[in-house]
Amino acid sequence: QVKLLQSGAALVKPGDSVKMSCKASGYTFTDYIIHWVKQSHGKSLEWIGYINPYSGGTNYNEKFKSKATLTVDKSSSTAYMEFSRLTSEDSAIYYCARRDLDAWGQGASVTVSS
Amino acid sequence: DVVMTQTPVSLSLAIGQPASISCKSSQSLLGTSGKTFLNWILQRPGQSPKRLIYQVSKLYSEVPDRFSGSGSETEFTLKISRVEAEDLGVYYCWQGTHFPLTFGSGTKLEIK
Repeated sequence: QVKLLQSGAALVKPGDSVKMSCKASGYTFTDYIIHWVKQSHGKSLEWIGYINPYSGGTNYNEKFKSKATLTVDKSSSTAYMEFSRLTSEDSAIYYCARRDLDAWGQGASVTVSS
Repeated sequence: DVVMTQTPVSLSLAIGQPASISCKSSQSLLGTSGKTFLNWILQRPGQSPKRLIYQVSKLYSEVPDRFSGSGSETEFTLKISRVEAEDLGVYYCWQGTHFPLTFGSGTKLEIK
C-alpha cells in the first residue's frame, strides 16, 4: 500500500537549517507530486509547496519561498525539504503528502531552541 | 489567498447522533476545468491527517457511507449521519482550486 515514511524529530538552534526526508513506497514515485504541510502546535495546517518528482518542478507558497527548498532523489523515491534560517516560529510538525493529500507521512517534529 | 472558514469550532455528540460541519470559502472554488476542488480530511488525536472526501462529495473507498459531502461555489458541508466512536478528531476542509492551497481552522469532534 502507499506509504510515506518521514525522517525523525529534530532539535536545532536558531539560525540553523534542517533537512527532512519523505521516502515513498507502494506506488510509482514519479507519477505523483509531493506536497509539504506545516502544523504548528495545536493549530491548523499551512501549505508550504509541492515538487514534481518527474520534472523536479516546484511551486511554493509565497510565505515560505525564502524559507523552504524542495528536492527529490528519484533513485531512492525520496523527497526532501530543507528549511533555513530557523526561528522559534518554525517549531512545528511537518508533513509530506501525496498529490491530492490522499496519503500522508507520519510527520516530522522540528523544535528550534538554543 | 482563499480563506476557508469552518464552523463550529467544536462539537460534542453522543454515539448515533448526526453531525454537520460547515466550510465557507472567500471565493468560488469552481475551477476552470469545471471541477470544484474542495476536500475534507480527518486528523485523529496523535495521528497525521487522513483523507475523507474529495471534490465536494466523492468518498475515498475506505470511508464509511455515513459520511457525505455537499455544496458548491463557496459553501460546503460535511455530514455524518450517525457518529461513531472512531469519528473523533479534528476535521479540516481544504481547497485545491487556487494556489496556495489553504485549509480551514478545523472542527473538533468529541464523543460524549
